[in-house]
Amino acid sequence: GENVEQHPSTLSVQEGDSAVIKCTYSDSASNYFPWYKQELGKRPQLIIDIRSNVGEKKDQRIAVTLNKTAKHFSLHITETQPEDSAVYFCAAPPGFQKLVFGTGTRLLVSP
Amino acid sequence: DAGVIQSPRHEVTEMGQEVTLRCKPISGHNSLFWYRQTMMRGLELLIYFNNNVPIDDSGMPEDRFSAKMPNASFSTLKIQPSEPRDSAVYFCASSLVTDNSPLHFGNGTRLTVT
Repeated sequence: GENVEQHPSTLSVQEGDSAVIKCTYSDSASNYFPWYKQELGKRPQLIIDIRSNVGEKKDQRIAVTLNKTAKHFSLHITETQPEDSAVYFCAAPPGFQKLVFGTGTRLLVSP
Repeated sequence: DAGVIQSPRHEVTEMGQEVTLRCKPISGHNSLFWYRQTMMRGLELLIYFNNNVPIDDSGMPEDRFSAKMPNASFSTLKIQPSEPRDSAVYFCASSLVTDNSPLHFGNGTRLTVT
């Protein structure tokens, strides 16, 4: 089955710096890679996703890049702000509709 | 849209008791997922339904867990008997029955079994 590895597990940055979170997956058939943000005590919420027919997607300060050959994808957050502090999860589908989540990255943005 | 609605938000029960968690998916979504979140194991998919039919229950930990979806707007996850190791946050999520359709999570039920 699909194995999704995510790192780092924690990431501390200063406000205004960039943050990068990386994930690798094992199933070469996976074709959809979402990223979810979970604030403390709240539900995971989709922030950006990418499909395998593109290599990069941007939405304001966040971007996701995909390398299908190497089977890894990354989340990039630029100009980080304290409200970006949360746990971020990547995910990949081992089959139709199923999503396997990474173990999460706790991002702390210090003012 | 009210989003995915779960109840209760918190549940505290004693070991051995039956626990029932409830979920109302987003109107029009015909796929429903139950996830469990713990510090040790992260987000685990327990079971999912398409058009009220269970498709994959391979993530259900054991026979003490059961899930039903009697209609398009309601699902339950039942644990009987409950054990302390079942303590976790249980999320329900819904989506459209299409490949790569984003999941919309409910606010979760925090279950504590003492």
